[in-house]
Amino acid sequence: NAGVTQTPKFQVLKTGQSMTLQCAQDMNHEYMSWYRQDPGMGLRLIHYSVGAGITDQGEVPNGYNVSRSTTEDFPLRLLSAAPSQTSVYFCASSSPLSSSGDTQYFGPGTRLTVL
Amino acid sequence: AQSVSQHNHHVILSEAASLELGCNYSYGGTVNLFWYVQYPGQHLQLLLKYFSGDPLVKGIKGFEAEFIKSKFSFNLRKPSVQWSDTAEYFCAVSLTGGFKTIFGAGTRLFVKA
Repeated sequence: NAGVTQTPKFQVLKTGQSMTLQCAQDMNHEYMSWYRQDPGMGLRLIHYSVGAGITDQGEVPNGYNVSRSTTEDFPLRLLSAAPSQTSVYFCASSSPLSSSGDTQYFGPGTRLTVL
Repeated sequence: AQSVSQHNHHVILSEAASLELGCNYSYGGTVNLFWYVQYPGQHLQLLLKYFSGDPLVKGIKGFEAEFIKSKFSFNLRKPSVQWSDTAEYFCAVSLTGGFKTIFGAGTRLFVKA
C-alpha cells in the first residue's frame, strides 16, 4: 500500500492564481481530511469528507473548495490564492469503523508559497 | 467549542533527561486521545492513542501517556530521551465515533547530544 499520497510537494503561486492540491489514498478509508500547518498554530482542519459525495467545512474553510467523487481521491482547490494561504498542507485519511479507529494517516504534505 | 491546549511550545533537554509534555482538552463527551510526532522533514505519524480501558497507554520508542479524565489531561512522558527524539509533538482529540480530530498547537522538542 502506498498509503496517502499528495502532489505536488512544493508549489509557488502568485496572488490570484488558482490551483488544485491532489490527495489519494489506497486504504479504502471512508474519512478524508485536509489540514493546514502553520507555526505555533498546530494543524487546523480545512475541509473533511465522510464518504464519496459528502463533504463539510472544518475550522478554516474560506478560500478553499473540495469534492469527493471517489473514495480514493480528495482534491483541495484554491480558488484565488492569497499570501495568507502560504502554509504546509496535509491530507489525512481514517477509518473509524476499522480496528484503527479515528487514527489519522497523513500524507507527506505540500508546501505552498503564495507571493 | 472543542479545543486542545499544549502547555509548552518549545522544550530543550539533554540526552537521558526525562520528558513530560502537557496536554489538556475541552470536550464534553467521550473522547479518543492521540499523540502524533513529526520528525524533521517527515510527515506526521501516530505515537500512541487512547480509546478506552487502561488510562496508561504505551506507544512506540518508549513513550507513554496517561489519561486523567478528571483533569481532562493526556500528558506524554518518556523516562530518558535520546537525540533522535528531536521532533514536534502534537496532542489531538476526537469524539468517539466522530470524524473531526482537533489538534493542539504542537511542542517542538530539541534534545542536545
